[in-house]
Order: sequence, then structure tokens, then C-alpha cells
Amino acid sequence: GAVVSQHPSRVICKSGTSVKIECRSLDFQATTMFWYRQFPKKSLMLMATSNEGSKATYEQGVEKDKFLINHASLTLSTLTVTSAHPEDSSFYICSARFTGGAKNIQYFGAGTRLSVL
Amino acid sequence: DAKTTQPPSMDCAEGRAANLPCNHSTISGNEYVYWYRQIHSQGPQYIIHGLKNNETNEMASLIITEDRKSSTLILPHATLRDTAVYYCIVRGGSGTYKYIFGTGTRLKVLA
Repeated sequence: GAVVSQHPSRVICKSGTSVKIECRSLDFQATTMFWYRQFPKKSLMLMATSNEGSKATYEQGVEKDKFLINHASLTLSTLTVTSAHPEDSSFYICSARFTGGAKNIQYFGAGTRLSVL
Repeated sequence: DAKTTQPPSMDCAEGRAANLPCNHSTISGNEYVYWYRQIHSQGPQYIIHGLKNNETNEMASLIITEDRKSSTLILPHATLRDTAVYYCIVRGGSGTYKYIFGTGTRLKVLA
């Protein structure tokens, strides 16, 4: 149980295009999901908290117009990188907060590697 | 949220116990300790969590000191597949649910 699916696993796009990444909780409902970014050999950096039915909360320094987050259902959150540029190339990881049973454990997707040419 | 401090790297012989320490000296009374690991190019995998009592599951044991200012994750019989970066995270039990990842410990299990 508590599986989080992230799609696509890898995407290559041209500079200036937009890319959408999906994060789904497969066997539980998640009112809260999170989006992280990770650079090579670095730790995960929280970008934003995605709340079902309301606006996302972005961490300081994260451009909300660049990274659009939509959490339209209890099992799906999407991250859209708008007008992507090479500096947006990174590993993006989502997680979903599991509220059943144990205390607020986050389960993570496998990540999406974005390469912007 | 409380800040955690972990050694940057550790080696462990295959079949031996791996003991990974974490300091969280500013932890408050209702904050849980969570452990995750990240194998190269994958998302973090949940291992175990605890509040004040020691915990054990099929993957590992978690020992939390009585003052709760530090904890140790124990992998009882490390295998090569346990080679990963291990993260210790402390967050609040209510209100914000976000995790703030530290730098973690890169564990290398040696054959």
C-alpha cells in the first residue's frame, strides 16, 4: 500500500516549451502533496505544498508563475514547468501525505528527470 | 522545524549492522523523527519513524535517546542493496506537514 506514481520518469524538451509532471496517489487519498527539486549530489529542496482544492503554498524563492501546481483531486497533483529553460533541468520529485494509521508519513514518487535543451 | 545533523558518509561491511546517527538537539515535544533513504536516481523510500519509544520494523530499528536529542537508525544485517543516502527528518506533529531535508548520510556497504 501507500504507492505514489509519478509520470513521466524522464522528459527532454526544447527551451521555451512547457512540461507537465503528474503525481498520483494510487491507493490512498492525499489532501496534501509536495513537490521537491534535487540537483546532482544534493539533497531534496522543497518547492511547494500542494493542497487539494486550494492554492499551493510555495517556498521562498520559488517562482509560482514558473512552476504551476494544480491539485484538482484527492489523488492527483500536477506540476507544470512553464517556458522551460536549461537552468530548469533537474530531478523533480513529488510526495503525498498519508494520513491513515501512522503519523503523516510522506510517500514519494520515483521522480522525473527533466532535461531542457 | 528542528534541524538535523548527520555525518556525511559511512562505510559498513556486508552482513554487519549499520548504525546511522542523527542529532536533532532542538526537537520539540510533539515532533516525530522520520528516516528515509534514497537510492541513486530514485525517490526517497520511507524506512521508519518514532516519537519517543524505540521502534522496529522489517527494515530497521530506530533508537531514540531519552532526551530525544538524537537517534540512531540500525540496519541489522546490511546488504549491498542498502547502499544509499539516508535522511533523518524531524517535523511537527500538527500544523505544517512539510519535510525539510538535511544533507543526509551516504552509506556505502562494502562486499
